Amino acid sequence: EAEVAQSPRYKITEKSQAVAFWCDPISGHATLYWYRQILGQGPELLVQFQDESVVDDSQLPKDRFSAERLKGVDSTLKIQPAELGDSAMYLCASSLAHNSGANVLTFGAGSRLTVL
Amino acid sequence: AQSVTQLGSHVSVSEGALVLLRCNYSSSVPPYLFWYVQYPNQGLQLLLKYTSAATLVKGINGFEAEFKKSETSFHLTKPSAHMSDAAEYFCAVSDTGGFKTIFGAGTRLFVKA
Repeated sequence: EAEVAQSPRYKITEKSQAVAFWCDPISGHATLYWYRQILGQGPELLVQFQDESVVDDSQLPKDRFSAERLKGVDSTLKIQPAELGDSAMYLCASSLAHNSGANVLTFGAGSRLTVL
Repeated sequence: AQSVTQLGSHVSVSEGALVLLRCNYSSSVPPYLFWYVQYPNQGLQLLLKYTSAATLVKGINGFEAEFKKSETSFHLTKPSAHMSDAAEYFCAVSDTGGFKTIFGAGTRLFVKA
């Protein structure tokens, strides 16, 4: 069964350091999402790509976060510098297309970030 | 703007008892509604989805949900809880354009032996 791959699964870093997460979506899925899930809360969309283009990054803290999907396949989410409040699970998801309301998201296992 | 409210951050039931997890939505257009489940240290996986074909939707693992427009609700039920159902459940909504999927805060289900 096809899966969304994410790495690393766990990351511990000190504040002010840089951190990066990688995601490889299901083959053929044009839309890729990065969500942040703070403990005890639901996932919050950070950025959404359609192929290599950003279609929504309104909730991405652009002063420290960046995301790219250069070839429209895999994607990297970067945080620099990391702050204590960035501790969370970072979830990547993909779907066939973003313009269908019945759009089902397939999630990866997530990358858990702890900032000390 | 769309939103989802899940009533109760924690629900505890005994094994074999009815499971009821509540979700209310707000949407200015006919919504698409989803329930996802998350097991510890895993990503979310789809339980079921409502796309206007039928108001009672059946999903995996014996779960079902009923769309009630008059109550703006999409509650999740299962007749008999199993220990393996212990997890966190998220209700989600997207509009007919499917541009963004918004998740509720989640309800953690505990199942007692």
